[in-house]
Amino acid sequence: AAGVIQSPRHLIKEKRETATLKCYPIPRHDTVYWYQQGPGQDPQFLISFYEKMQSDKGSIPDRFSAQQFSDYHSELNMSSLELGDSALYFCASSSGGSGNTIYFGEGSWLTVV
Amino acid sequence: AQSVTQLDSQVPVFEEAPVELRCNYSSSVSVYLFWYVQYPNQGLQLLLKYLSGSTLVKGINGFEAEFNKSQTSFHLRKPSVHISDTAEYFCAVLPVLLTGGGNKLTFGTGTQLKVEL
Repeated sequence: AAGVIQSPRHLIKEKRETATLKCYPIPRHDTVYWYQQGPGQDPQFLISFYEKMQSDKGSIPDRFSAQQFSDYHSELNMSSLELGDSALYFCASSSGGSGNTIYFGEGSWLTVV
Repeated sequence: AQSVTQLDSQVPVFEEAPVELRCNYSSSVSVYLFWYVQYPNQGLQLLLKYLSGSTLVKGINGFEAEFNKSQTSFHLRKPSVHISDTAEYFCAVLPVLLTGGGNKLTFGTGTQLKVEL
């Protein structure tokens, strides 16, 4: 079965640079979530989209922005990168509504040097 | 708002021994409950979930969990662990809402299960 696809899987950027992560949800899933997992930490919710509209916002820095496109894929844009942004970024998707299981991608490893 | 507490940050256990990973939650609304597993350098994989019905749910790899509403717990158990079960386990809750979208999982801090020979 198709899963959540994230790209790139690994990314190395320098401080103050910009990075873009892409997420392709499971087909027919209309909700996308972004999570950030720092080293040795639990995943922290950043932002979510339902039917291409932002539906919830968590602890996402102002330097970050995201959107969901007409084909339901989503992109997380991170600017003015800081060392502390180094983390595993998960995208997840669900078919919307309450109680539907949220499936995670393999994650994108961002290292800021 | 929801919160999830995983009391044990690390659980060492010998192979073929039983194990229980504890999870307690707090929420002002009804929630659905999940356990995810994260193997080293990998993503989050769904182990099992409780949405409704029987409070004992079975998941992949021989794991099961029991929902206890009065104790607001959702402990994960396996009767006999294997070396390959070594991983980080996350308990998570999802609020039950009437409208679509806007839900998000809240995770516990994780429990590192280390299976030894």
